[in-house]
Amino acid sequence: DTGVSQNPRHKITKRGQNVTFRCDPISEHNRLYWYRQTLGQGPEFLTYFQNEAQLEKSRLLSDRFSAERPKGSFSTLEIQRTEQGDSAMYLCASSLAGTSGQETQYFGPGTRLLVL
Amino acid sequence: GENVEQHPSTLSVQEGDSAVIKCTYSDSASNYFPWYKQELGKGPQLIIDIRSNVGEKKDQRIAVTLNKTAKHFSLHITETQPEDSAVYFCAATPPGTGRRALTFGSGTRLQVQP
Repeated sequence: DTGVSQNPRHKITKRGQNVTFRCDPISEHNRLYWYRQTLGQGPEFLTYFQNEAQLEKSRLLSDRFSAERPKGSFSTLEIQRTEQGDSAMYLCASSLAGTSGQETQYFGPGTRLLVL
Repeated sequence: GENVEQHPSTLSVQEGDSAVIKCTYSDSASNYFPWYKQELGKGPQLIIDIRSNVGEKKDQRIAVTLNKTAKHFSLHITETQPEDSAVYFCAATPPGTGRRALTFGSGTRLQVQP
């Protein structure tokens, strides 16, 4: 399968614990995005990378959240000191930068986080 | 920032009927409008998109129309089938080299009754 992959698919943790999610984009896609989706809502943008550079961050990305893309390929999203309000689906998307404006973002299956 | 409103929140149609979902956006500079379909337990899948330099785009049973003056765009699904049942999201994004975030609507749950 050459689509965007995310691991783990599900994560249950206790409040206060740290969690880390991984995203592997479509091969050769140089842009990678993280979104959060709560039940009954559309995805909300968190951050995006072009290659290894983090170029845009949302106000939703509090200081407990950190994302990396060290070699411009896979990315990790870490949440420290999790809170119950962090329970959501975390979606990763990737795209190939073009010259004609916005390009298509392809989404992975998501990681569903439940904080008890 | 951009704000996208989507209506209706739920839509039930009979198999074979047409379905229309409407979205409005706030940032007149937005120039890219994708539509995604999300099935239970899966990530959103792009079904069609439109850029601001065209007013309509069609792909088999799916079409999207864009009215830049009124700042709204719509998804049209004809000859609906039970497998069209899912949640549909519209999105918009403004131009700019530093701004790539999609702003999504709140979704429309479409149920196609066989």
